[in-house]
Amino acid sequence: AQSVTQPDIHITVSEGASLELRCNYSYGATPYLFWYVQSPGQGLQLLLKYFSGDTLVQGIKGFEAEFKRSQSSFNLRKPSVHWSDAAEYFCAVGARGSGTYKYIFGTGTRLKVLA
Amino acid sequence: SAVISQKPSRDICQRGTSLTIQCQVDSQVTMMFWYRQQPGQSLTLIATANQGSEATYESGFVIDKFPISRPNLTFSTLTVSNMSPEDSSIYLCSVLRDRGETQYFGPGTRLLVL
Repeated sequence: AQSVTQPDIHITVSEGASLELRCNYSYGATPYLFWYVQSPGQGLQLLLKYFSGDTLVQGIKGFEAEFKRSQSSFNLRKPSVHWSDAAEYFCAVGARGSGTYKYIFGTGTRLKVLA
Repeated sequence: SAVISQKPSRDICQRGTSLTIQCQVDSQVTMMFWYRQQPGQSLTLIATANQGSEATYESGFVIDKFPISRPNLTFSTLTVSNMSPEDSSIYLCSVLRDRGETQYFGPGTRLLVL
């Protein structure tokens, strides 16, 4: 079955520290992979996406993610976290079915940033 | 990307009433989606709304409770009918762009049912 797992429900880091948010997926074909951020009271904003090609993708706000097929992972990273990065982060897989295309979302990781 | 607006941004409603949420996109799109995000939870797909056809509902969601309209390629509505406190959630619409692979989300409608 198709699924997305974000093992960390909450993560706390200090401002200026590096960050890695984990995402593992289960999908039969080459997946379309996405990371979104949801700030308090806001909708979801696309950070980055991977379809094919270079396995290290750059996104907005200084984020990057690396696709590792052997580990079925698409972890999100940032070298230096800012207080404004405190938010909920969602990993998603785009899954094609018979005439359909849907997202499968992970449960999310809530990031807290300490000053 | 896409510019998506939703109305209302938030509302407080009494149980037993209905609320219609509007979603407007800045340009034509084929597929629009409606999601529910319960407090502290991830997103759950309610239905896919295609212009000119009936919406396709996910398991656990029915048209009588969540009727959807899609009158044109830039607009859709979701109605939450006969509301109960369990319907208190954020409701988000999204559209498919970038060669039909990337979803862009509206700001959400925050609903509280008393």
